[in-house]
Amino acid sequence: DTAVSQTPKYLVTQMGNDKSIKCEQNLGHDTMYWYKQDSKKFLKIMFSYNNKELIINETVPNRFSPKSPDKAHLNLHINSLELGDSAVYFCASSQDRTPLGNTEAFFGQGTRLTVV
Amino acid sequence: TQLLEQSPQFLSIQEGENLTVYCNSSSVFSSLQWYRQEPGEGPVLLVTVVTGGEVKKLKRLTFQFGDARKDSSLHITAAQPGDTGLYLCAGALVSKGSNYKLTFGKGTLLTVNP
Repeated sequence: DTAVSQTPKYLVTQMGNDKSIKCEQNLGHDTMYWYKQDSKKFLKIMFSYNNKELIINETVPNRFSPKSPDKAHLNLHINSLELGDSAVYFCASSQDRTPLGNTEAFFGQGTRLTVV
Repeated sequence: TQLLEQSPQFLSIQEGENLTVYCNSSSVFSSLQWYRQEPGEGPVLLVTVVTGGEVKKLKRLTFQFGDARKDSSLHITAAQPGDTGLYLCAGALVSKGSNYKLTFGKGTLLTVNP
């Protein structure tokens, strides 16, 4: 079983459309994240949720809205897609929100979003 | 402003050579992690270092955390083509109380040629 799974793996859509990316983790972790990796491979955190509560919200356009129905799921909805939104989006989860020192982030395989 | 500076950004070497990748910051981290990412996959954790001055070895990979917990290095001995990939360092910083935020460097894209 895949620990952190995202769907879809690939998403091609036109500008102005609304789309969602789903993420599920079966590790029993409390914290989930969304990261964006641009064409230069820079990985930047977007959101972090702990037990369905928003913990981190970086400077992300409000067209991006995360939703966590339960602690095993963190979905990302994007409104009015723009060309600059094209990137690979990674979902991740970790055991605890406190810096225990050995907290590991487990990543999904990524969703390659292409806006045309 | 980039919190974690990784260098070099690109590295292409021959099989059998040694290499070192650096990760530097002006911030003090609770812990620092190294990840490796292969094409089409998410990053996978290699190691976590917590104590200043700590050295960890993983086969041919040696990781070191700076004494002040602001920088780290990854040294690979006798590199092999299977080591090819994107190496990312990530620092954990306390954010909003007891929460921590994992901040990634831009990565080092390593290519080991046979």
